[in-house]
Parts: sequence; C-alpha cells; structure tokens
Amino acid sequence: KQEVTQIPAALSVPEGENLVLNCSFTDSAIYNLQWFRQDPGKGLTSLLLIQSSQREQTSGRLNASLDKSSGRSTLYIAASQPGDSATYLCAVSGNTPLVFGKGTRLSVIA
Amino acid sequence: DARVTQTPRHKVTEMGQEVTMRCQPILGHNTVFWYRQTMMQGLELLAYFRNRAPLDDSGMPKDRFSAEMPDATLATLKIQPSEPRDSAVYFCASGWEGTYEQYFGPGTRLTVT
Repeated sequence: KQEVTQIPAALSVPEGENLVLNCSFTDSAIYNLQWFRQDPGKGLTSLLLIQSSQREQTSGRLNASLDKSSGRSTLYIAASQPGDSATYLCAVSGNTPLVFGKGTRLSVIA
Repeated sequence: DARVTQTPRHKVTEMGQEVTMRCQPILGHNTVFWYRQTMMQGLELLAYFRNRAPLDDSGMPKDRFSAEMPDATLATLKIQPSEPRDSAVYFCASGWEGTYEQYFGPGTRLTVT
C-alpha cells in the first residue's frame, strides 16, 4: 500500500528565504507526482505535476524535483513571500488515483 | 472560469440524520473523485467514477456511505445514518481520464453532533 510522508509538518521562515519541502513515497511504481497548495478553509490548487519520466518541473518561483527510484520529491520555493503561507501537499498517482501526504504547513513571516 | 462546485459548503446535523452532499464537476471532465479530510488522517480517497460508473469505492464505509452520479453534471455522496466520527471536510474533484490532473471543489464542512 502506497504511503506518502511529508517532512517537516510545519515550517516558519522569514520573508525572502529560499526553502525546500520534502515528500517521500514507499512504492516507486508511480505515474506522476503532484504538489498542491491549500489555503485555510479552501480546496486544493494544483501547483506542479511531474510525470514519472520527468525529473523536474518549474513554475515561476516554484521548482519541483522527482527521484522516482529513491521515492523522493522536493518542492523548492525561491524568495518566499507572506502570500506563500499555506499548507503544501504532495500526492502520487499509481494503482490508485492519488495518495496524499498530510502536508507541510508553511508560514512566511514579513 | 470553469470550477468544481459543491453544496452545501457547511452542514451541521445531529447524529442519526441523513446527509447528502452534491458536486458539479467541470463540464467535459469524465472522472469524479470524493475525498474526506481530517486532521488525524489527512486526505483520504472515498470513491471515484469514470464516465459515471463507479470504479472504486473501497475507501467508503459501505454500511452508511453511498456515492452516485445520476448524470454527468451531478455527483452525490450520502451518509445515512450520520455519526460524530463522520465530521470532516468532504472534497469533490474532477478531471479528464489520461491527464491525471484533478481540480478540487471548495469542500463541504460537515459537523455531526
């Protein structure tokens, strides 16, 4: 059974810092990996999707990498801003549509 | 601006009552997913449909939960009878088979007292 773990569970950084969020999964037989953002009381917004054949994807200040063989992904956020404060969830798709980690709650302090 | 819509956004009910949550997927999407989110368990897949047919509902407690798609524009999740442990946020998501991307609705926050 696929399990997804995200470390740390919470992170607080000063504005302007570059930061890395980590995601690991137990079964490397995945189709893709997605990073989502969730604001309090809201639904999930897809940030980046990496296909299993890809190594990374970039969107603006966000860069996500995938190392399928080791079961790891990282989400890199450059020059963090208070507006980046949210919970970031990692999810993998394989034999089941999506299995989610429990997320990293990020606070960017102005 | 195509979005997944869910109703109601909030629901408070007493234990034993029936609860029905509705979802309108994005027009043209042929896969629909129901998730439940709690602090303890995180996001869990309850059921999903493709072309209105249920593909997997193994995440649902079968004795009290049921999910249906009466037509391509409506998905429902019903709990009967509801219990306090069902208190959670229930999300619906839709997508197009083959793209693996899912678009989430805003959720229904259910409180069972």
